[in-house]
Amino acid sequence: GAVVSQHPSRVICKSGTSVKIECRSLDFQATTMFWYRQFPKQSLMLMATSNEGSKATYEQGVEKDKFLINHASLTLSTLTVTSAHPEDSSFYICSASSDWAEQFFGPGTRLTVL
Amino acid sequence: DAKTTQPPSMDCAEGRAANLPCNHSTISGNEYVYWYRQIHSQGPQYIIHGLKNNETNEMASLIITEDRKSSTLILPHATLRDTAVYYCIVRVAFNYGQNFVFGPGTRLSVLP
Repeated sequence: GAVVSQHPSRVICKSGTSVKIECRSLDFQATTMFWYRQFPKQSLMLMATSNEGSKATYEQGVEKDKFLINHASLTLSTLTVTSAHPEDSSFYICSASSDWAEQFFGPGTRLTVL
Repeated sequence: DAKTTQPPSMDCAEGRAANLPCNHSTISGNEYVYWYRQIHSQGPQYIIHGLKNNETNEMASLIITEDRKSSTLILPHATLRDTAVYYCIVRVAFNYGQNFVFGPGTRLSVLP
């Protein structure tokens, strides 16, 4: 199947700093990328949907000014957590799909905000 | 909200078949049943999907009832590495603009 990577796999940062997470589709062009968040012992929750070259669509309750999503190319989407706080500590997972490739998930990024 | 219901947890002895049930009584005619699993601290892994016929691949078998209101994922010979949370999801296939909606899933523990 198609491969989706995320970088970094884990990051620890201080409160108030910004963190960027990259999501790449390695062997296919992703028309759409999704960002999910998963808190401990909970299921994945969709944060936003992004299409290449257009603004992301955020789910209710997700602050678009805090979680900046850029999908500048068909193989790369980035999620920037701005002014991170301890409550933003979570497991962030992206997935990518195209008109012929079913949705494939990345390995996730563990964010810890001190 | 997820359109499926699954038992929160199950145990299975190593080497035995693991049968994971899923109810999806409101499934639409164009929606497929997908199964993913998530091993601790990893991204979801695709297992199998089907519309109405039973499906089998190298990982598992999917049995869908004739009325399509429920299904069962079968891992024929469970190993310790199959310990994970298993998610049953209904979704229109190849609708690349639609996300997957994850419910709480079933936490499968394979015991030695």
